[in-house]
Amino acid sequence: DAKTTQPPSMDCAEGRAANLPCNHSTISGNEYVYWYRQIHSQGPQYIIHGLKNNETNEMASLIITEDRKSSTLILPHATLRDTAVYYCIVSSSGSARQLTFGSGTQLTVLP
Amino acid sequence: SQTIHQWPATLVQPVGSPLSLECTVEGTSNPNLYWYRQAAGRGLQLLFYSVGIGQISSEVPQNLSASRPQDRQFILSSKKLLLSDSGFYLCAWSAQRRAKWDTFGSGTRLTVV
Repeated sequence: DAKTTQPPSMDCAEGRAANLPCNHSTISGNEYVYWYRQIHSQGPQYIIHGLKNNETNEMASLIITEDRKSSTLILPHATLRDTAVYYCIVSSSGSARQLTFGSGTQLTVLP
Repeated sequence: SQTIHQWPATLVQPVGSPLSLECTVEGTSNPNLYWYRQAAGRGLQLLFYSVGIGQISSEVPQNLSASRPQDRQFILSSKKLLLSDSGFYLCAWSAQRRAKWDTFGSGTRLTVV
């Protein structure tokens, strides 16, 4: 599986959009981009995933560049409860899919 | 709906003692099951995964072992705990076919003293 690069930390003002970048320059054609987040002392929570089209759900939007070498997770209106470590992961589909979690980005939403 | 249960939530064990952490999944059949460990301030490390009863793949050589005695039960064990086994242990599952994403349990905080 390809590896990802994320900034170690980011701050965002409450109510503003949080834009979390991720580089995955060695992503393969069959690999998806997944985003999870982990609030302190809890299990990771799935947020969103995509292959090459932009995706949106009730939690966030995922913007993937045309060359698929990078992506951005957007939380449109960040709240204090969005403070967490956000993991960007690339993984191929399959019955024994495994996720390789890196260090992620610590997002702190400030009041 | 599917749910995943992991227990205990916290555990303090002396060095050299055995370990057994249990994870069960409800509401699905033949899931992929995973054990991860997270050391303080670090990312998650995949320890074991299983695609079926009795089928265990180990990702990292270590003092731990895993078993899957039933379809929806995944157990993490150790015969003798080391101080370095301390960490946050997470169980996760995903659907076998057309897996969309993994769902994680709430985790077990293990402290070896």
